[in-house]
Amino acid sequence: AQSVAQPEDQVNVAEGNPLTVKCTYSVSGNPYLFWYVQYPNRGLQFLLKYITGDNLVKGSYGFEAEFNKSQTSFHLKKPSALVSDSALYFCAVNTNAGKSTFGDGTTLTVKP
Amino acid sequence: DAGVIQSPRHEVTEMGQEVTLRCKPISGHNSLFWYRQTMMRGLELLIYFNNNVPIDDSGMPEDRFSAKMPNASFSTLKIQPSEPRDSAVYFCASSPPNGRGEKLFFGSGTQLSVL
Repeated sequence: AQSVAQPEDQVNVAEGNPLTVKCTYSVSGNPYLFWYVQYPNRGLQFLLKYITGDNLVKGSYGFEAEFNKSQTSFHLKKPSALVSDSALYFCAVNTNAGKSTFGDGTTLTVKP
Repeated sequence: DAGVIQSPRHEVTEMGQEVTLRCKPISGHNSLFWYRQTMMRGLELLIYFNNNVPIDDSGMPEDRFSAKMPNASFSTLKIQPSEPRDSAVYFCASSPPNGRGEKLFFGSGTQLSVL
């Protein structure tokens, strides 16, 4: 069975500093990995995905993620955090049938 | 495109009442998913449809929950009878064909409170 782990419930960073939100996965075969963001009282929004190719994937709002096969990780990163990046972030992995398994989410707080 | 549309946005009901949540997926999408989000359990997949056919309903908590997709543009999630522990935010999501590599498009959710 596939699974996703987000080891940190909460990440706090100062505005302008780099941020990392961690994700590890377990899946048989090649992983199809996603990051989503959820703002208060809204549904999840797609940020980026890794299917194949370059291990560094760039997505919306300046976010990027690095796929590391040996460490089974797909950490979300941004070089310079903004207060408006404060939200709940979810990592997900897809099955062959397109079914998504989500992590428990990480709350990112960026302080001015 | 208006995106995935869910109704109602908020529903407050009393224990024992029937609740029906509605979803209109994005036109052209052939997969539809119902998720439930709570603080305790996070984001749980309840059921998903492909081409209007239920593929996996293993996440449906019990027989009180049922879901239908009578056509490509409409789905319902029904709870009968409702209980306080059903209180949660229920999300509908859809995705286009091509399966595994496709992202999900989420609606804004229905906040359900069962008193």
